[in-house]
Amino acid sequence: GAGVSQSPSNKVTEKGKDVELRCDPISGHTALYWYRQSLGQGLEFLIYFQGNSAPDKSGLPSDRFSAERTGGSVSTLTIQRTQQEDSAVYLCASSPQRRSEAFFGQGTRLTVV
Amino acid sequence: QKEVEQNSGPLSVPEGAIASLNCTYSDRGSQSFFWYRQYSGKSPELIMSIYSNGDKEDGRFTAQLNKASQYVSLLIRDSQPSDSATYLCAVRYGGSQGNLIFGKGTKLSVKP
Repeated sequence: GAGVSQSPSNKVTEKGKDVELRCDPISGHTALYWYRQSLGQGLEFLIYFQGNSAPDKSGLPSDRFSAERTGGSVSTLTIQRTQQEDSAVYLCASSPQRRSEAFFGQGTRLTVV
Repeated sequence: QKEVEQNSGPLSVPEGAIASLNCTYSDRGSQSFFWYRQYSGKSPELIMSIYSNGDKEDGRFTAQLNKASQYVSLLIRDSQPSDSATYLCAVRYGGSQGNLIFGKGTKLSVKP
């Protein structure tokens, strides 16, 4: 595709359920980033992939959060046992190499009820 | 702790004026610097990148970088109401990580 694609666009889930958020980066982009943005707040870094490895996962808020990337392409962010404080927009970005500009997907709005 | 600091604003300027947005960062090893614009309810959109000390101009936008002072700025000339948005400064840190860290953003309002 032409840009970074995230799915679903919106997700409403019940507290305690697990959710998976998907990011399909721009073809050929080796670096991939996940961020979280709560209402009216800045971008909170979650995890960064270079290829399939994650040099920096320091931003994951708890062990309920995990992410993987396969084939140097698609990435999945999984949140287990969701809590209301997990409600936010989850943004994914990719860049062609480590030094280059990053481009964002449209985000996944997660609402935990 | 690697940090990127921005004045949260809001910054209000009249239409046609110059808007000046500032950003400081903590890691001297930083290599790449970016400005993003984010409209309410939308995802961030890249507007400028800068890698070397000095000024870089693109249309009405000028990015300025001073690595010695660890300072990045964005000037918007002839500001338009459509420039009203939150502007995010982003810094890619050096070393093996290459992580991309964002400031909290400055909200700009351009008054007609």
